[in-house]
Amino acid sequence: KNQVEQSPQSLIILEGKNCTLQCNYTVSPFSNLRWYKQDTGRGPVSLTIMTFSENTKSNGRYTATLDADTKQSSLHITASQLSDSASYICVVSPTYNQGGKLIFGQGTELSVKP
Amino acid sequence: GAVVSQHPSRVICKSGTSVKIECRSLDFQATTMFWYRQFPKQSLMLMATSNEGSKATYEQGVEKDKFLINHASLTLSTLTVTSAHPEDSSFYICSARGVALYEQYFGPGTRLTVT
Repeated sequence: KNQVEQSPQSLIILEGKNCTLQCNYTVSPFSNLRWYKQDTGRGPVSLTIMTFSENTKSNGRYTATLDADTKQSSLHITASQLSDSASYICVVSPTYNQGGKLIFGQGTELSVKP
Repeated sequence: GAVVSQHPSRVICKSGTSVKIECRSLDFQATTMFWYRQFPKQSLMLMATSNEGSKATYEQGVEKDKFLINHASLTLSTLTVTSAHPEDSSFYICSARGVALYEQYFGPGTRLTVT
């Protein structure tokens, strides 16, 4: 069964600190892997999209990495801000792309404290 | 970047009534739109996929007669929750996919509360 698992489930860090969120997936083959940020009560917003051939992708203070051999991805947040408090979701798009269906992880709930 | 809007952002309705939620792609043509439901502390669950001008494809376990989806144009899809019940209370999110097939853009979501 194709799955996307994220860890930790939740994380609390102090403002200004860095953190890394993990994503393991069993979807194979896949077209691309995405990281989304979802604020409470809002829709997901795309942070990064990586194809299977890419190893890293940055978007400001967010840097995503991908290891297709171990089927792992990480999202590193640098110099965290209070506004980074949100749910971060790892999403994989299978190559067979059943009409565009995405496979979602359960998300990591990040809380940045002052 | 591409923008997807939803209307309304919040709606409260009485049990037994119907509610319509609109999803619009504002600056691109959406060949495919997706409707998701999200319960608290859970991830998004795909309800159905709709292609412009054709019938929606529903996921297993989603009642097509209860959740009516219409995708009448390349910029608008609607989800109608018919005979709503309190258990239908949830956060409904749409996404739209344009010509660049691997990118989906999500709407801001609609909070439905059925009393």
